[in-house]
Amino acid sequence: DTAVSQTPKYLVTQMGNDKSIKCEQNLGHDTMYWYKQDSKKFLKIMFSYNNKELIINETVPNRFSPKSPDKAHLNLHINSLELGDSAVYFCASSIGGQPAAFFGQGTRLTVV
Amino acid sequence: GDSVTQMEGPVTLSEEAFLTINCTYTATGYPSLFWYVQYPGEGLQLLLKATKADDKGSNKGFEATYRKETTSFHLEKGSVQVSDSAVYFCALGPRGGADGLTFGKGTHLIIQP
Repeated sequence: DTAVSQTPKYLVTQMGNDKSIKCEQNLGHDTMYWYKQDSKKFLKIMFSYNNKELIINETVPNRFSPKSPDKAHLNLHINSLELGDSAVYFCASSIGGQPAAFFGQGTRLTVV
Repeated sequence: GDSVTQMEGPVTLSEEAFLTINCTYTATGYPSLFWYVQYPGEGLQLLLKATKADDKGSNKGFEATYRKETTSFHLEKGSVQVSDSAVYFCALGPRGGADGLTFGKGTHLIIQP
């Protein structure tokens, strides 16, 4: 029944590793997003995908790459993880033309 | 570019007190305005929204009015409860398109019994 679900909820990994976070929405929305929340709770958009097309990339390092196999999924791949990547990553979705978004529960990534 | 400014927290109140969390914005065009709430350990939930000037959004006893003349969207509640303790985010978004939301830095609200 969860509208926007992310896995895993927690991810602890070493520097230099490559990891992925998965996101799925069952709302039939056509736009999906990734947001990053830093240690001070500040939220910033990273990407959005509309009908499998990247709409924004907010100067995120190219180590981060969103992958959308279909309209219901937007996964986040991160290569060569760095300490500064530690944060909570939120997936969200919306219907194109309606900016209000439904958010997932978040993935707390800790790079050690 | 677009930006949202919220009052810094934490804000600590006693139960049944009146709540105001200030939010002002800078944006081109006519954005929609939102309040999201994040309870401890959880994701963000949409609390209320307003899509045009003078609209009032309301939900769960919370209210906010879109004030174009003062570029503000202050969150209010007449009588807070311990269960309202959370982080509250003011955000703005475009009227259309897929440009996502611009968030304020969040206000941590603590309600004491």
